[in-house]
Amino acid sequence: QVQLQESGPGLVKPSETLSLTCAVSGYSISSGYYWGWIRQPPGKGLEWIGSIYHSGSTYYNPSLKSRVTISVDTSKNQFSLKLSSVTAADTAVYYCASLRVTTSSIDYWGQGTLVTVSS
Amino acid sequence: QSALTQPPSASGSPGQSVTISCTGTSSDVGGYNYVSWYQQHPGKAPKLMIYEVSKRPSGVPDRFSGSKSGNTASLTVSGLQAEDEADYYCSSYAGSNNLHVVFGGGTKLTVL
Repeated sequence: QVQLQESGPGLVKPSETLSLTCAVSGYSISSGYYWGWIRQPPGKGLEWIGSIYHSGSTYYNPSLKSRVTISVDTSKNQFSLKLSSVTAADTAVYYCASLRVTTSSIDYWGQGTLVTVSS
Repeated sequence: QSALTQPPSASGSPGQSVTISCTGTSSDVGGYNYVSWYQQHPGKAPKLMIYEVSKRPSGVPDRFSGSKSGNTASLTVSGLQAEDEADYYCSSYAGSNNLHVVFGGGTKLTVL
């Protein structure tokens, strides 16, 4: 059973960089999933941010691509998200997840972590 | 603006069936048999209910079924139960050269 756990600051100042890490347990991050980030602003729908394969290949949402970096650390079995130049519009619950390579269906989700952008 | 279009709300009485639609384009829903559906209860992470248009993960009741015609996918919940009241989101693979994953805006299902 794949388990994912997000960690990182719950409050980020405007114009700064949001940084989150997702620890994966019960499964090797070097095996057959993409690892991704999805966010959900309060009261709104889901938005895919980006995905990474253990080889380092990445896919980013074009609307966020200029501000997003996703990286993977296979030695620690974890992957990370950095979102730069944040504004209040980036306030959301951020989920990490595992995505099937061929279909992009999301089998496993972290519990989510609320990140608020405010001064 | 979400890439896939879902009705904002749907409802039905216990025991009835309800169908939720998800409309995309030939670049996503219509181009691949890779539509998924997720159930989300308040304050919880989404849960995969349907993948590859009509397949159910282990543990998902067979009251949940999926289908697709052209650029529109559908989720049908039969024999509605109180615990089915939740938000439902569709998603589709959109190609490795484009938006990898696109979501619908979500549908609030109310069990009357």
